Amino acid sequence: DIQMTQSPASLSASLEEIVTITCQASQDIGNWLAWYQQKPGKSPQLLIYGATSLADGVPSRFSGSRSGTQYSLKISRLQVEDIGIYYCLQAYSAPLTFGSGTKLEIK
Amino acid sequence: EVQLVESGGGLVQPGRSLKLSCAASGFTFSNYYMAWVRQAPKKGLEWVATISTSGSRTYYPDSVKGRFTISRDNAKSSLYLQMNSLKSEDTATYYCARLNYNYFDYWGQGVMVTVSS
Repeated sequence: DIQMTQSPASLSASLEEIVTITCQASQDIGNWLAWYQQKPGKSPQLLIYGATSLADGVPSRFSGSRSGTQYSLKISRLQVEDIGIYYCLQAYSAPLTFGSGTKLEIK
Repeated sequence: EVQLVESGGGLVQPGRSLKLSCAASGFTFSNYYMAWVRQAPKKGLEWVATISTSGSRTYYPDSVKGRFTISRDNAKSSLYLQMNSLKSEDTATYYCARLNYNYFDYWGQGVMVTVSS
């Protein structure tokens, strides 16, 4: 199974700050990587797919990048509505596996 | 608007069975692979099952293989998850999700399943 190592586990940042979350894949998954946001008490929402493509309706302050088997989600200017837990997903091969999550809070 | 509405959750004893349903609307259900994803209380996300458009192919992780069965009724735009031999570690919120190129692009609101005596 492909392991996705996500960091940090939690993050506290100020409004308008740049935030970066990373996922390291245990093997090559190409661009088969997605990012999800889960707000408190809600179901996950797709933010990024194909490592870098923005899902419909997602603000442009969210972006994804890849360097080898390391993937990053960047929030360029943190807003209050961005609080929640963020997960990466490898969609390269079954079993599809998620990262352990990053809890994002406002400082 | 894509909508996925789960039902059928509840409290069940270990070793018993439960069947979840998901009613889909707002898209051509028969054109998409569908899946179930679960989330144990205060824990992360775990993929549980995937089914092809026709229902002829199904996929499961080892944690549920042989106990869970995913199925669909394209005429009713409905997805199902039959869960047998339930264990305490199956306690979770179960989400119905649409698959788009292996990505879960739409999720239902989730249904809680509690396995306890």
